[in-house]
Amino acid sequence: QQQVKQSPQSLIVQKGGISIINCAYENTAFDYFPWYQQFPGKGPALLIAIRPDVSEKKEGRFTISFNKSAKQFSLHIMDSQPGDSATYFCAASKRNAGNMLTFGGGTRLMVKP
Amino acid sequence: GAGVSQSPSNKVTEKGKDVELRCDPISGHTALYWYRQSLGQGLEFLIYFQGNSAPDKSGLPSDRFSAERTGGSVSTLTIQRTQQEDSAVYLCASSLAQERRTVRGYTFGSGTRLTVV
Repeated sequence: QQQVKQSPQSLIVQKGGISIINCAYENTAFDYFPWYQQFPGKGPALLIAIRPDVSEKKEGRFTISFNKSAKQFSLHIMDSQPGDSATYFCAASKRNAGNMLTFGGGTRLMVKP
Repeated sequence: GAGVSQSPSNKVTEKGKDVELRCDPISGHTALYWYRQSLGQGLEFLIYFQGNSAPDKSGLPSDRFSAERTGGSVSTLTIQRTQQEDSAVYLCASSLAQERRTVRGYTFGSGTRLTVV
């Protein structure tokens, strides 16, 4: 059972455009939703995270939008740059499950100059 | 070191051989996780260690896979009688504590790319 579904699998955006990646989850016990960024040959690195008590969190050009009723959350990258080209993973974890994260399938983003 | 260190970075092995993958977490991090990433795929949870508690082995795909963590620090993931479907990048991560609110997420190593031929 895939508990966190991520789309699209790949995305091509022009420099300066907005990149949008979506995730949906099933388990209402999830209460922590991070996004990770992975460059080739490297491990994923934490980018930004949100808890369900807020609907949006912004850090620089990166924004998470969260819709608790729809059980969906998304990552928006404003003014996308070629250096943002990477694979992005959404994830979720639940209370009383340690810090164990369940990851989405990943989105490969390419930002064209 | 400042980050999570994994070794070797690459490993090619023959089908049927045993392999050991090593992870050195960040000093002081009490939680350690192993994930597997197949080519172009997401991250599959394998096993989780937290302090002195019994590990959560619920993600191990078969009894050929095992892991241990000695002295609450270094961890070794062992795959016995390797199969071609075991080929993947094996990622280790560590974090500070079980209580997420004190944690800034996982810190991942760069992984070990395992190829079974």
